[in-house]
Amino acid sequence: QAVLTQPSSLSASPGASASLTCTLRSGINVGAYNIYWYQQKPGSPPQYLLRYKSDSDKQQGSGVPSRFSGSKDASANAGILLISGLQSEDEADYYCMIWHSSAWVFGGGTKLTVL
Amino acid sequence: QVQLVQSGAEVKTPGSSVKVSCKASGYTFTGYNLHWVRQAPGQGLEWMGWINPNSGGANYAQNFQGRVTMTRDTSVSTVYMFLSRLTSDDTAVYYCTRDAQGGSGWFDPWGQGSLVTVSS
Repeated sequence: QAVLTQPSSLSASPGASASLTCTLRSGINVGAYNIYWYQQKPGSPPQYLLRYKSDSDKQQGSGVPSRFSGSKDASANAGILLISGLQSEDEADYYCMIWHSSAWVFGGGTKLTVL
Repeated sequence: QVQLVQSGAEVKTPGSSVKVSCKASGYTFTGYNLHWVRQAPGQGLEWMGWINPNSGGANYAQNFQGRVTMTRDTSVSTVYMFLSRLTSDDTAVYYCTRDAQGGSGWFDPWGQGSLVTVSS
Protein backbone atom coordinates (compact mmCIF):
# COMPACT_ATOMS: atom_id res chain seq x y z
CA GLN A 1 0.00 0.00 0.00
CA ALA A 2 1.37 3.40 -0.92
CA VAL A 3 2.41 5.78 1.84
CA LEU A 4 0.23 8.58 0.41
CA THR A 5 -2.91 8.03 -1.67
CA GLN A 6 -4.61 10.73 -3.70
CA PRO A 7 -7.65 10.38 -5.96
CA SER A 8 -6.47 10.40 -9.54
CA SER A 9 -8.95 13.04 -10.67
CA LEU A 10 -11.47 15.57 -9.46
CA SER A 11 -13.79 17.92 -11.29
CA ALA A 12 -15.41 21.09 -10.01
CA SER A 13 -17.11 24.17 -11.39
CA PRO A 14 -15.70 27.67 -11.56
CA GLY A 15 -16.47 29.59 -8.39
CA ALA A 16 -17.03 26.43 -6.38
CA SER A 17 -14.70 24.87 -3.84
CA ALA A 18 -12.60 21.76 -4.30
CA SER A 19 -11.32 19.54 -1.52
CA LEU A 20 -8.31 17.42 -2.49
CA THR A 21 -7.45 14.61 -0.13
CA CYS A 22 -4.17 12.93 0.67
CA THR A 23 -4.69 9.78 2.73
CA LEU A 24 -1.86 8.40 4.79
CA ARG A 25 -1.29 4.68 4.96
CA SER A 26 -2.70 2.94 7.98
CA GLY A 27 -0.26 3.12 10.85
CA ILE A 28 1.07 6.53 9.80
CA ASN A 29 -0.72 9.14 11.91
CA VAL A 30 -1.56 12.29 9.96
CA GLY A 31 -1.45 14.35 13.14
CA ALA A 32 2.28 13.93 13.43
CA TYR A 33 3.14 15.14 9.95
CA ASN A 34 3.66 18.32 8.04
CA ILE A 35 1.72 17.93 4.79
CA TYR A 36 3.17 19.83 1.84
CA TRP A 37 1.17 20.65 -1.29
CA TYR A 38 2.43 21.35 -4.80
CA GLN A 39 0.69 22.46 -7.96
CA GLN A 40 1.96 21.44 -11.38
CA LYS A 41 0.66 22.72 -14.70
CA PRO A 42 1.42 20.94 -17.99
CA GLY A 43 4.93 21.47 -19.22
CA SER A 44 6.05 23.26 -16.06
CA PRO A 45 7.83 22.21 -12.90
CA PRO A 46 5.86 21.92 -9.66
CA GLN A 47 5.23 25.00 -7.56
CA TYR A 48 5.02 25.07 -3.77
CA LEU A 49 1.61 25.99 -2.40
CA LEU A 50 1.64 25.49 1.35
CA ARG A 51 2.52 23.43 4.38
CA TYR A 52 -0.01 22.36 6.96
CA LYS A 53 0.47 20.65 10.28
CA SER A 54 -2.19 22.34 12.38
CA ASP A 55 -4.13 25.59 12.47
CA SER A 56 -1.35 27.04 14.59
CA ASP A 57 1.48 25.59 12.53
CA LYS A 58 1.11 26.22 8.86
CA GLN A 59 2.81 28.19 6.12
CA GLN A 60 1.59 29.68 2.86
CA GLY A 61 3.92 29.85 -0.10
CA SER A 62 5.07 33.22 -1.31
CA GLY A 63 2.42 34.78 -3.50
CA VAL A 64 0.01 31.88 -3.08
CA PRO A 65 -3.57 33.20 -2.81
CA SER A 66 -5.39 32.71 0.47
CA ARG A 67 -8.09 30.74 -1.33
CA PHE A 68 -5.62 27.84 -1.14
CA SER A 69 -5.65 26.43 2.37
CA GLY A 70 -4.75 23.27 4.20
CA SER A 71 -6.42 21.16 6.84
CA LYS A 72 -6.56 17.61 8.17
CA ASP A 73 -9.26 15.06 8.73
CA ALA A 74 -8.02 12.94 11.58
CA SER A 75 -10.90 10.49 11.28
CA ALA A 76 -9.89 9.75 7.70
CA ASN A 77 -6.16 10.02 8.46
CA ALA A 78 -5.89 12.50 5.61
CA GLY A 79 -4.47 15.87 4.71
CA ILE A 80 -6.70 18.17 2.71
CA LEU A 81 -6.03 20.96 0.25
CA LEU A 82 -9.04 23.22 -0.05
CA ILE A 83 -9.30 25.54 -3.01
CA SER A 84 -12.12 28.02 -2.80
CA GLY A 85 -13.48 30.26 -5.54
CA LEU A 86 -12.14 27.97 -8.25
CA GLN A 87 -10.75 29.64 -11.32
CA SER A 88 -9.87 28.15 -14.68
CA GLU A 89 -6.18 28.74 -13.92
CA ASP A 90 -6.44 26.31 -10.99
CA GLU A 91 -6.75 23.43 -13.43
CA ALA A 92 -3.59 21.46 -12.73
CA ASP A 93 -2.10 18.41 -11.04
CA TYR A 94 -1.77 18.62 -7.28
CA TYR A 95 0.68 16.60 -5.21
CA CYS A 96 0.97 16.10 -1.48
CA MET A 97 4.26 15.24 0.19
CA ILE A 98 5.54 14.20 3.61
CA TRP A 99 8.84 13.34 5.23
CA HIS A 100 8.61 9.66 6.17
CA SER A 101 11.23 7.07 7.01
CA SER A 102 14.08 9.44 6.13
CA ALA A 103 12.74 10.24 2.69
CA TRP A 104 10.47 12.73 1.01
CA VAL A 105 7.43 10.87 -0.28
CA PHE A 106 4.96 12.20 -2.83
CA GLY A 107 1.39 11.15 -3.34
CA GLY A 108 0.42 10.00 -6.82
CA GLY A 109 -1.23 13.33 -7.61
CA THR A 110 -4.75 14.53 -8.36
CA LYS A 111 -5.68 16.02 -11.70
CA LEU A 112 -8.12 18.85 -11.01
CA THR A 113 -10.40 19.84 -13.86
CA VAL A 114 -12.33 23.10 -13.63
CA LEU A 115 -15.34 23.02 -15.92
CA GLN B 1 16.18 36.51 -8.72
CA VAL B 2 16.72 33.02 -7.39
CA GLN B 3 17.09 30.70 -10.34
CA LEU B 4 18.09 27.14 -11.14
CA VAL B 5 19.08 26.39 -14.73
CA GLN B 6 19.52 22.78 -15.79
CA SER B 7 21.39 21.14 -18.63
CA GLY B 8 19.64 20.05 -21.79
CA ALA B 9 17.92 16.90 -22.91
CA GLU B 10 19.88 13.67 -23.24
CA VAL B 11 19.33 10.42 -25.08
CA LYS B 12 21.08 7.42 -23.58
CA THR B 13 21.27 3.73 -24.29
CA PRO B 14 20.39 1.09 -21.69
CA GLY B 15 23.27 0.33 -19.37
CA SER B 16 24.90 3.72 -19.82
CA SER B 17 25.05 6.67 -17.44
CA VAL B 18 23.88 10.27 -17.46
CA LYS B 19 25.03 13.42 -15.71
CA VAL B 20 22.61 16.30 -15.29
CA SER B 21 23.74 19.71 -14.08
CA CYS B 22 21.89 22.42 -12.18
CA LYS B 23 23.38 25.92 -11.98
CA ALA B 24 22.18 28.15 -9.17
CA SER B 25 22.10 31.93 -9.15
CA GLY B 26 20.60 34.79 -7.18
CA TYR B 27 21.41 33.46 -3.71
CA THR B 28 24.26 32.08 -1.61
CA PHE B 29 24.88 28.70 -3.21
CA THR B 30 26.29 27.08 -0.09
CA GLY B 31 23.40 28.17 2.09
CA TYR B 32 20.69 25.80 0.90
CA ASN B 33 20.40 22.08 0.22
CA LEU B 34 19.47 21.09 -3.31
CA HIS B 35 17.22 18.15 -4.11
CA TRP B 36 16.59 16.06 -7.20
CA VAL B 37 13.09 14.92 -8.15
CA ARG B 38 12.15 13.03 -11.27
CA GLN B 39 8.92 12.52 -13.19
CA ALA B 40 8.38 9.76 -15.72
CA PRO B 41 6.13 10.61 -18.68
CA GLY B 42 2.55 11.00 -17.51
CA GLN B 43 3.49 9.91 -14.01
CA GLY B 44 3.94 11.48 -10.58
CA LEU B 45 6.89 12.92 -8.75
CA GLU B 46 9.66 10.80 -7.23
CA TRP B 47 12.25 12.18 -4.82
CA MET B 48 15.81 11.01 -5.49
CA GLY B 49 17.89 12.67 -2.79
CA TRP B 50 19.65 15.83 -1.79
CA ILE B 51 23.08 17.37 -1.55
CA ASN B 52 24.44 19.92 0.88
CA PRO B 53 26.43 22.31 -1.35
CA ASN B 54 28.44 23.54 1.61
CA SER B 55 29.80 20.21 2.84
CA GLY B 56 29.25 18.16 -0.31
CA GLY B 57 27.45 15.57 1.76
CA ALA B 58 24.51 13.82 0.11
CA ASN B 59 21.58 11.64 1.09
CA TYR B 60 19.95 9.35 -1.41
CA ALA B 61 16.54 7.73 -1.58
CA GLN B 62 16.65 4.01 -1.05
CA ASN B 63 15.37 3.32 -4.57
CA PHE B 64 18.49 4.91 -6.02
CA GLN B 65 21.14 3.78 -3.58
CA GLY B 66 24.19 2.51 -5.42
CA ARG B 67 23.14 4.08 -8.73
CA VAL B 68 23.01 7.79 -8.02
CA THR B 69 25.73 10.22 -7.04
CA MET B 70 25.21 13.92 -6.35
CA THR B 71 28.15 16.28 -6.38
CA ARG B 72 28.75 20.00 -6.46
CA ASP B 73 31.26 22.54 -7.73
CA THR B 74 31.13 25.64 -5.58
CA SER B 75 33.34 27.60 -8.01
CA VAL B 76 30.50 27.61 -10.54
CA SER B 77 27.53 27.26 -8.16
CA THR B 78 26.49 24.03 -9.81
CA VAL B 79 25.28 20.66 -8.57
CA TYR B 80 25.37 17.48 -10.59
CA MET B 81 23.28 14.32 -10.54
CA PHE B 82 24.94 11.22 -11.95
CA LEU B 83 22.75 8.15 -12.57
CA SER B 84 24.27 4.90 -13.75
CA ARG B 85 23.05 1.58 -15.19
CA LEU B 86 20.19 3.25 -16.97
CA THR B 87 17.10 1.34 -18.06
CA SER B 88 13.98 2.42 -19.92
CA ASP B 89 12.36 2.99 -16.52
CA ASP B 90 14.75 5.89 -16.00
CA THR B 91 13.20 7.82 -18.87
CA ALA B 92 11.93 10.92 -17.11
CA VAL B 93 12.22 14.64 -16.59
CA TYR B 94 14.74 15.28 -13.85
CA TYR B 95 14.30 18.42 -11.73
CA CYS B 96 16.59 20.09 -9.26
CA THR B 97 15.01 22.20 -6.56
CA ARG B 98 16.15 24.19 -3.57
CA ASP B 99 15.16 23.54 0.03
CA ALA B 100 14.04 27.08 0.73
CA GLN B 101 13.80 26.79 4.50
CA GLY B 102 16.50 24.45 5.71
CA GLY B 103 15.33 20.90 6.32
CA SER B 104 11.77 21.60 5.22
CA GLY B 105 9.77 20.37 2.28
CA TRP B 106 9.46 23.88 0.93
CA PHE B 107 11.06 23.31 -2.45
CA ASP B 108 11.45 26.56 -4.30
CA PRO B 109 12.40 27.35 -6.95
CA TRP B 110 12.62 24.43 -9.34
CA GLY B 111 14.80 24.09 -12.37
CA GLN B 112 13.14 23.88 -15.75
CA GLY B 113 13.72 20.13 -15.91
CA SER B 114 16.02 17.94 -17.98
CA LEU B 115 14.51 15.20 -20.10
CA VAL B 116 16.51 11.99 -20.11
CA THR B 117 15.40 9.40 -22.63
CA VAL B 118 16.76 5.88 -22.36
CA SER B 119 16.30 3.93 -25.56
CA SER B 120 18.16 1.39 -27.61
